[in-house]
Amino acid sequence: KAGVTQTPRYLIKTRGQQVTLSCSPISGHRSVSWYQQTPGQGLQFLFEYFSETQRNKGNFPGRFSGRQFSNSRSEMNVSTLELGDSALYLCASSPDRVEKLFFGSGTQLSVL
Amino acid sequence: KQEVTQIPAALSVPEGENLVLNCSFTDSAIYNLQWFRQDPGKGLTSLLLIQSSQREQTSGRLNASLDKSSGRSTLYIAASQPGDSATYLCAVEAPAAGNKLTFGGGTRVLVKP
Repeated sequence: KAGVTQTPRYLIKTRGQQVTLSCSPISGHRSVSWYQQTPGQGLQFLFEYFSETQRNKGNFPGRFSGRQFSNSRSEMNVSTLELGDSALYLCASSPDRVEKLFFGSGTQLSVL
Repeated sequence: KQEVTQIPAALSVPEGENLVLNCSFTDSAIYNLQWFRQDPGKGLTSLLLIQSSQREQTSGRLNASLDKSSGRSTLYIAASQPGDSATYLCAVEAPAAGNKLTFGGGTRVLVKP
């Protein structure tokens, strides 16, 4: 089985731009969650989608949004980028809650 | 609010020594606790998942225990190898946190040959 795939692997953007990150979960997994990882704040939960519905959301501003498609693939979007948005963005999938999470390799976003 | 702490933040041991990694959490009402490994610049690999009804889980050289009443979990890695060098993170899933994972800050491990 293929693992969780995140694209692109690296991104460089400038302040004020917007960015879209993509995540393809493991086949058969319906839950996709997103996390932001920074050296200062560690791993922080962004949101979780299950069967195309946002099931949970972390404490991030409205500039961070996401969606899930009928094939369980998910995208997250960050608008009006700020320097502090520079981070490793990780996507994880699982069949449902309370189960092992499988993470992708992440997208390293640098905002200049 | 659930808080997860991992102490120490970094650990260095000689090859062959057993590793003991600690994780503590403030709210004992959890669904499960997971231990992950992360290599630099990479994603996380789930090592062990302990459900709230379980006391421990084992996989090869890894053993994780869970004591909900004291809010603690310990990950043991037997006979450490240089390839075990990585950052180890624990995370809890709890209803009070809306079923999202709350992560500890991690313990960075270096196993010296």
